[in-house]
Amino acid sequence: KQEVTQIPAALSVPEGENLVLNCSFTDSAIYNLQWFRQDPGKGLTSLLLIQSSQREQTSGRLNASLDKSSGRSTLYIAASQPGDSATYLCASNPILTGGGNKLTFGTGTQLKVEL
Amino acid sequence: DGGITQSPKYLFRKEGQNVTLSCEQNLNHDAMYWYRQDPGQGLRLIYYSQIVNDFQKGDIAEGYSVSREKKESFPLTVTSAQKNPTAFYLCASSMIRTRGHGYTFGSGTRLTVV
Repeated sequence: KQEVTQIPAALSVPEGENLVLNCSFTDSAIYNLQWFRQDPGKGLTSLLLIQSSQREQTSGRLNASLDKSSGRSTLYIAASQPGDSATYLCASNPILTGGGNKLTFGTGTQLKVEL
Repeated sequence: DGGITQSPKYLFRKEGQNVTLSCEQNLNHDAMYWYRQDPGQGLRLIYYSQIVNDFQKGDIAEGYSVSREKKESFPLTVTSAQKNPTAFYLCASSMIRTRGHGYTFGSGTRLTVV
């Protein structure tokens, strides 16, 4: 069964700092991996989707990488801002027998960017 | 704009009562999902449906029921058999014809037992 781990569980950084959030998964047979952002009491907003054939995806100040062989993905946030404060979740889409486009989620990294 | 609408945003349930959470999408997505989120835990899959009139249990289906009578709608009923229903419930949808598509989530329903 796929397991997804995110480290650290919480992170506090000063504004302007570049930072990396880590995600590891146990089963490298995946269709894709998706990074989400969740603000308190809100739903999940998709940030980046990396297909299994890709190494990275970029959107603005965000860059996500994928290394299937080592079971790792990282989310790089450049020049962090207070508005980036949120919980960041990664989710893998394992190639399971029996079908179903089902994601397995990590428990998230709670990020706080301070002025 | 296309998206997923969950209602209500807040819901209160009395002991022994069944309640239904609504989820509607206008993205023309094939698949829909219900997740439960508890503090300090990852999202856990309750039920999912890949096609109208068909659905499968997820990891924590006990005490819940669903229906998929229309492609756009996937309501979740929390029954009295669910002993600890207080949680944040999230609905999502995706295409499945090609498995490379990602998920889109609704804004969630917070259910509290009173």
